Amino acid sequence: KQEVTQIPAALSVPEGENLVLNCSFTDSAIYNLQWFRQDPGKGLTSLLLIQSSQREQTSGRLNASLDKSSGRSTLYIAASQPGDSATYLCAVPTGTASKLTFGTGTRLQVTL
Amino acid sequence: GAVVSQHPSRVICKSGTSVKIECRSLDFQATTMFWYRQFPKQSLMLMATSNEGSKATYEQGVEKDKFLINHASLTLSTLTVTSAHPEDSSFYICSARDMRPSYGTQYFGPGTRLLVL
Repeated sequence: KQEVTQIPAALSVPEGENLVLNCSFTDSAIYNLQWFRQDPGKGLTSLLLIQSSQREQTSGRLNASLDKSSGRSTLYIAASQPGDSATYLCAVPTGTASKLTFGTGTRLQVTL
Repeated sequence: GAVVSQHPSRVICKSGTSVKIECRSLDFQATTMFWYRQFPKQSLMLMATSNEGSKATYEQGVEKDKFLINHASLTLSTLTVTSAHPEDSSFYICSARDMRPSYGTQYFGPGTRLLVL
């Protein structure tokens, strides 16, 4: 059974700092990994999707890397802003139905 | 980008009543939709996979007779919580997989907050 873990569970940083969120998964037989953002009481916003053949994906200040063999992915946020405060979730599809198994999430707070 | 809507966004009901939640893909077709439940400060837990034109596939521990899923068209799936009880109070989120690109992104709805009194 796939298990997805995120470290740290919570993180508070001052504005402007670069930061790294970690995601690890136990079954490396994945064909992609997705990072999401969730604001309190809201749904999910997809940030980045990395296919298994890729090592990283970039979108603006966000950069996600994937190392399938070690079962790890990182989300790098450059020059953090208060608007980046949210919970970040990674997820991997399992089985042929592509149902997602979500990580435990990292609650990020960027302070002024 | 692809948009998924959910209706209602919030619902408060009395214990014992049934509540229907709709999930629609607005600008793409989705043969597969997923229903998740999220308790406060916890991650999303998949409840069931909804397949257009066929029966839903439920995850272990999810009562299919309590959480009725209907996926009658390529753009609409509904989740009905039957005889709701306070322990069913949760945040319900649907997602739809855009079939156009292979192994494409799942797009999530804004969620429905259910409170059962």
